[in-house]
Amino acid sequence: DAGITQSPRHKVTETGTPVTLRCHQTENHRYMYWYRQDPGHGLRLIHYSYGVKDTDKGEVSDGYSVSRSKTEDFLLTLESATSSQTSVYFCAISDGRAKDTEAFFGQGTRLTVV
Amino acid sequence: GESVGLHLPTLSVQEGDNSIINCAYSNSASDYFIWYKQESGKGPQFIIDIRSNMDKRQGQRVTVLLNKTVKHLSLQIAATQPGDSAVYFCAENGHQAGTALIFGKGTTLSVSS
Repeated sequence: DAGITQSPRHKVTETGTPVTLRCHQTENHRYMYWYRQDPGHGLRLIHYSYGVKDTDKGEVSDGYSVSRSKTEDFLLTLESATSSQTSVYFCAISDGRAKDTEAFFGQGTRLTVV
Repeated sequence: GESVGLHLPTLSVQEGDNSIINCAYSNSASDYFIWYKQESGKGPQFIIDIRSNMDKRQGQRVTVLLNKTVKHLSLQIAATQPGDSAVYFCAENGHQAGTALIFGKGTTLSVSS
């Protein structure tokens, strides 16, 4: 596996509480992404980052914020968790040096909002 | 909506058979495609990729075919093994470096021995 670590791997939280998921990479890749995976929807992009402090929204960004203060860390925050945010969250990285470059994925974080 | 999708949500084959998983894409500007394999409890893993200037690319036991005329992508797995059981996703990259991959909904391949 590429050097990507997601933490925590599993979390149960209550509706209305804030939650932060962390993605840490050791590859020094410029691009980092957060996806969520739900049955019947495949992988959908939440937010992505193209450099330190440079981020942009994806397809399903409502209710989520991100931060990237260092190349190696990309944080995903649910300001006030809702049951619809119960999902498996994946972080991915890419060096993005060419237009045809693969992305490497972490092992995922399973989040349950009760 | 989805710009990349798979035709069948599930595919069941016998061990030793050849498997074909299909994908249709809608964005004619897409110029790079990837197949990922996702085993239970794990993140997607790269299998094979193909650029739009190619029609076919082969790897170990896997072949990807690209038909740009009908915007169709397929993954062929030769001599399918139980270890090939997983969910397979096709994905397209945008035409700009670093653009996030867009995924289809996936096909679950089940291999029985």
